[in-house]
Amino acid sequence: KAGVTQTPRYLIKTRGQQVTLSCSPISGHRSVSWYQQTPGQGLQFLFEYFSETQRNKGNFPGRFSGRQFSNSRSEMNVSTLELGDSALYLCASSQVGQGEPEAFFGQGTRLTVV
Amino acid sequence: AQKITQTQPGMFVQEKEAVTLDCTYDTSDPSYGLFWYKQPSSGEMIFLIYQGSYDQQNATEGRYSLNFQKARKSANLVISASQLGDSAMYFCAMREGHDTGNQFYFGTGTSLTVIP
Repeated sequence: KAGVTQTPRYLIKTRGQQVTLSCSPISGHRSVSWYQQTPGQGLQFLFEYFSETQRNKGNFPGRFSGRQFSNSRSEMNVSTLELGDSALYLCASSQVGQGEPEAFFGQGTRLTVV
Repeated sequence: AQKITQTQPGMFVQEKEAVTLDCTYDTSDPSYGLFWYKQPSSGEMIFLIYQGSYDQQNATEGRYSLNFQKARKSANLVISASQLGDSAMYFCAMREGHDTGNQFYFGTGTSLTVIP
């Protein structure tokens, strides 16, 4: 089966701009979560969507938002970009509660803010 | 307190030898899952192995095994017969609760280098 697809793979944005990242989960997976990975802070949980509803949220400012569509595809948006937002953003999909405990990750979107 | 602690920033192992990557965790939830992921330089997180808190036996997946010591709250990953392709970052992770979604707590990772 096809894996988790994240687009774009690379992005360069200017401070103050906004950006939208996309994640298509594995077919049949209804849970999509997002993580930010930086050398200094490691992997940090942003939020999780399940059946179009945000189920969990990490400790990030309101500039970070997301949504999930009826086909389970998810987008995350970062507004008013700051240099510190430069990171690898990873998306994970999971069946949760249906006998497959692991989450499957995409290859990530590498965002650089200049 | 850190939920997941990995105390080995970097490890070296000779090809074909076994290596153990350490992981300790902290939770008061009786139901939790422990995971190991591999992240090559390409960035994708690759699932390796899973251990549930109620599982009686240590998990094994091919060359990977998880040494689960519940009383010590440790979940070490053992890679047997190391290969050059095993060189990567390895992350230990935990998910608390039963069917509570996809919020994983990750450790800081261990960089493994396999020497020919």
